[in-house]
Amino acid sequence: GAGVSQTPSNKVTEKGKYVELRCDPISGHTALYWYRQSLGQGPEFLIYFQGTGAADDSGLPNDRFFAVRPEGSVSTLKIQRTERGDSAVYLCASRAGRADTQYFGPGTRLTVL
Amino acid sequence: GESVGLHLPTLSVQEGDNSIINCAYSNSASDYFIWYKQESGKGPQFIIDIRSNMDKRQGQRVTVLLNKTVKHLSLQIAATQPGDSAVYFCAENRGGGADGLTFGKGTHLIIQP
Repeated sequence: GAGVSQTPSNKVTEKGKYVELRCDPISGHTALYWYRQSLGQGPEFLIYFQGTGAADDSGLPNDRFFAVRPEGSVSTLKIQRTERGDSAVYLCASRAGRADTQYFGPGTRLTVL
Repeated sequence: GESVGLHLPTLSVQEGDNSIINCAYSNSASDYFIWYKQESGKGPQFIIDIRSNMDKRQGQRVTVLLNKTVKHLSLQIAATQPGDSAVYFCAENRGGGADGLTFGKGTHLIIQP
């Protein structure tokens, strides 16, 4: 079946702008995660959804970052007043309810000029 | 600092040889460990996982070893192929009831012809 998909694949924006990144998890997966990966580093946890609710948002760096998953499927990561330090690859992963394994999407490369 | 790290940033092996990639972790509360493979421009791809009640687990051409005494994880790849060239990350669950994964920085595996 289809894997995790993310759109757009690349996003270039200017400092101070607002951006939205979208994640479509594997169908039926109840758990959804957002991670951020800087160049040469491993992914860093941002937020975890179980169904529609954010079960753990402790990885969000500040209040400019927000994520939603209103219907328990698609999720949107929103970044306000973008800064150059926000430039990274934003990865989404999903997991089936009783399983352990997280499956990752291809990521969205965000560049803030 | 990071609770999961890797001993070697780059590992170069001859095609057909076996590869061993090492990882140290520090979170005693972690009970689930995963190896991911990441090719350039792609998201992490699941390779193999292991729970803390196991010492060894084998997959197709891959074996993961877990030494809880010294908090060490390794990935063995048998008969490496050109397609094995990638960055390999170990990851652990965040433990303590927290969901999400903690990743190390990764090891770049280079397969020499």
